[in-house]
Amino acid sequence: DAGVIQSPRHEVTEMGQEVTLRCKPISGHNSLFWYRQTMMRGLELLIYFNNNVPIDDSGMPEDRFSAKMPNASFSTLKIQPSEPRDSAVYFCASSLAKGVEQFFGPGTRLTVL
Amino acid sequence: SQQGEEDPQALSIQEGENATMNCSYKTSINNLQWYRQNSGRGLVHLILIRSNEREKHSGRLRVTLDTSKKSSSLLITASRAADTASYFCATDESNTGKLIFGQGTTLQVKP
Repeated sequence: DAGVIQSPRHEVTEMGQEVTLRCKPISGHNSLFWYRQTMMRGLELLIYFNNNVPIDDSGMPEDRFSAKMPNASFSTLKIQPSEPRDSAVYFCASSLAKGVEQFFGPGTRLTVL
Repeated sequence: SQQGEEDPQALSIQEGENATMNCSYKTSINNLQWYRQNSGRGLVHLILIRSNEREKHSGRLRVTLDTSKKSSSLLITASRAADTASYFCATDESNTGKLIFGQGTTLQVKP
């Protein structure tokens, strides 16, 4: 199994631009999580899906952030418009169910200039 | 909100020594998990201990859980330079079922 796949691995963009991060979870996993990691705030859960349905999006910073999971093998996290304070590493993780071992992707390092 | 709090924030030891990291949390949990993160990489799951367990072993790792004190410890025995990484505890909250990660302990093992 290839593990959780994220793309792109690095993204540099200018303030105001739209950014779309992509994630392919491990096949058969029912739960998918989006996290953001920064030095100041550590690892924050943004949103998680169970069986493609968003369960908890209380961690999404503001309306500029949106996430979708159109099917069991694909999810996107979109930031529109992006701001310099959105610069962080964004991780996608998947698991067989809520509350058990999570498998993390390699992350997308986002820099907003 | 970050429930888990790791202690210490940073730890530097010599190869061969043992490393102990502690984690405290606030709410009821189903389980507590430890993860490792190498610089520039995603987190890797190390071990899961359920709320009704008190101790668990996996290779050179030993995890304890004290639900009365809402704390856990991770012991790495006979450390190696390759153990250098950040270690995070994560609690599976009973009410929400989502993992809440602590701020992590940065471990440096000097060869």
